[in-house]
Amino acid sequence: QSALTQPPSASGSPGQSVTISCTGTSSDVGGYNYVSWYQQHPGKAPKLMIYEVSKRPSGVPDRFSGSKSGNTASLTVSGLQAEDEADYYCSSYAASNNFVFGTGTKVTVL
Amino acid sequence: QVQLQESGPGLVKPSETLSLTCTVSGGSVSSGSYYWSWIRQPPGKGLEWIGYIYYSGSTNYNPSLKSRVTISADTSKNQFSLKLSSVTAADTAVYYCARVEGGYVYYWGQGTLVTVSS
Repeated sequence: QSALTQPPSASGSPGQSVTISCTGTSSDVGGYNYVSWYQQHPGKAPKLMIYEVSKRPSGVPDRFSGSKSGNTASLTVSGLQAEDEADYYCSSYAASNNFVFGTGTKVTVL
Repeated sequence: QVQLQESGPGLVKPSETLSLTCTVSGGSVSSGSYYWSWIRQPPGKGLEWIGYIYYSGSTNYNPSLKSRVTISADTSKNQFSLKLSSVTAADTAVYYCARVEGGYVYYWGQGTLVTVSS
């Protein structure tokens, strides 16, 4: 299974929005509504931000939103704040009961 | 509140077997529809699924690692374990244990760095 494709970097000024894409195939992203997104700060374990494409766990600000179209999922962070600067990874359930992560995107708050 | 804690050697020699254990508290590895998983992250790189053991005991592994990986569970100790054989420097990574439900990971261990070096 190949890693899902994400842009290496994204950036925005405080208060702006940034959108990260996550491109897979019909055997993973496009075939199931089990896409999730994780935020990872340096030296820390990842934190779940979005699950099942667009659902937010309790405690995650509504500035974070997810969507999917075809084989591409997206994470949008609105109203960027300094603490949003981190690495972001998508993940998807895949055929044959596997899971696959994205390549990761470093978000910089300018 | 579910907590997971990895344990095991931080240094493994090339060609040997990496062995890690994850101790679970606040939940049982033998109940609920959960996939008890191992995930790794090489220094400065992205996340990689290694595999999982389902609460029923069935397992599934990343095809790229399948020939070298074994994941098992000890329900009496509420633990699950990872064995990765014939390791090389490319297996140097932070190894996380995690609980997967419905296709996502809510609970992660803190991670443990394993270095492969002679």
